Amino acid sequence: GAGVSQTPSNKVTEKGKYVELRCDPISGHTALYWYRQSLGQGPEFLIYFQGTGAADDSGLPNDRFFAVRPEGSVSTLKIQRTERGDSAVYLCASSFLFGAEAFFGQGTRLTVV
Amino acid sequence: AQSVAQPEDQVNVAEGNPLTVKCTYSVSGNPYLFWYVQYPNRGLQFLLKYITGDNLVKGSYGFEAEFNKSQTSFHLKKPSALVSDSALYFCAVRDMVGYGGSQGNLIFGKGTKLSVKP
Repeated sequence: GAGVSQTPSNKVTEKGKYVELRCDPISGHTALYWYRQSLGQGPEFLIYFQGTGAADDSGLPNDRFFAVRPEGSVSTLKIQRTERGDSAVYLCASSFLFGAEAFFGQGTRLTVV
Repeated sequence: AQSVAQPEDQVNVAEGNPLTVKCTYSVSGNPYLFWYVQYPNRGLQFLLKYITGDNLVKGSYGFEAEFNKSQTSFHLKKPSALVSDSALYFCAVRDMVGYGGSQGNLIFGKGTKLSVKP
């Protein structure tokens, strides 16, 4: 597609449930990023992929969070045993070259009730 | 550690007046600096970047930013503000630290809300 696509756009889940958030980057972009944005805050880095491998996962808050990018394109962010504090907008971005600007998707608004 | 500061939570400007949104940074080595804009219920949109070269960078929608190494600043500017410029603006720096470490990810400031009144 023309831009970064994230699905679903909204997700409401019950506390303790498992969720998957999908990101489809711009075709040909090798770098893919996941960020989390809480209300009134700037995006907070979670994880960065270069190709299929996670180049930096230092932003993942704990082991309930995991992300994969098995074929170097689509990525899935997985959250186990969701907590109310996980509620936020999860943003995905991709870029073509290291150092180039990143293009963001519209985000997935996750609400844990 | 790399970091970005946006000292103003909100900037209010009258339409037609010049605007400045401030950003200072702290990096090891040469900075890669970016500005993004976020409209309500929309994703982040890239405005401009500084990698190297001319200190005055021109971007989308008439925005520009001036890189000042001595003051470690990268302020966003526009000569004449429009009501439609009202949005949330984020400054970001690309983390360049260490092989296998944090290369590549963007570190964002907390954002500045720009309000342009007619």
